[in-house]
Amino acid sequence: DVKVTQSSRYLVKRTGEKVFLECVQDMDHENMFWYRQDPGLGLRLIYFSYDVKMKEKGDIPEGYSVSREKKERFSLILESASTNQTSMYLCASSPPPNSGHIQYFGAGTRLSVL
Amino acid sequence: EDQVTQSPEALRLQEGESSSLNCSYTVSGLRGLFWYRQDPGKGPEFLFTLYSAGEEKEKERLKATLTKKESFLHITAPKPEDSATYLCAVPDNYGQNFVFGPGTRLSVLP
Repeated sequence: DVKVTQSSRYLVKRTGEKVFLECVQDMDHENMFWYRQDPGLGLRLIYFSYDVKMKEKGDIPEGYSVSREKKERFSLILESASTNQTSMYLCASSPPPNSGHIQYFGAGTRLSVL
Repeated sequence: EDQVTQSPEALRLQEGESSSLNCSYTVSGLRGLFWYRQDPGKGPEFLFTLYSAGEEKEKERLKATLTKKESFLHITAPKPEDSATYLCAVPDNYGQNFVFGPGTRLSVLP
């Protein structure tokens, strides 16, 4: 079974703090993704990565950065957390499109910024 | 612009009352349509992939079908444990990223 593990299920941070969300996958997938999910807005893509040290902006990258130093690990960084970044954060990984393309998700991290 | 819409937004069924959820898409060159189930507070869980019009996939009480412009998720004799949000997604025109629909929130009452 594919496993995508997010380091925390719940996080509470203060405005202005630097926040790290970690994601690890065990299927040797090339592609990894970070989404946020908010009521009424659905899943929105923040950043994605097709390979180690590669990153691409998604639809809402402002206020976020990412790091992919190893193939299995994709980190999302909130440089200076703000209250409007309170959300559910979901990490996903997938093989290339010619290998099935299915995105597998972690359990999510619910972040509250106070 | 690639778009995925789902209807209804929410659906309440009595246990055993069959129904269907709809997913419509406007992406050229479909490279698959994906259905997910998401329980509250959890990540989406993959259910099905459909690749061509006329294709059907089944899993327990769920059956997914695909036409050229939409997909249906049929739920036969649902049980309370089928309560969840059901999401559909299609790869965008570049083929790497998904465009997700907003989801249908299904509640099955005992």
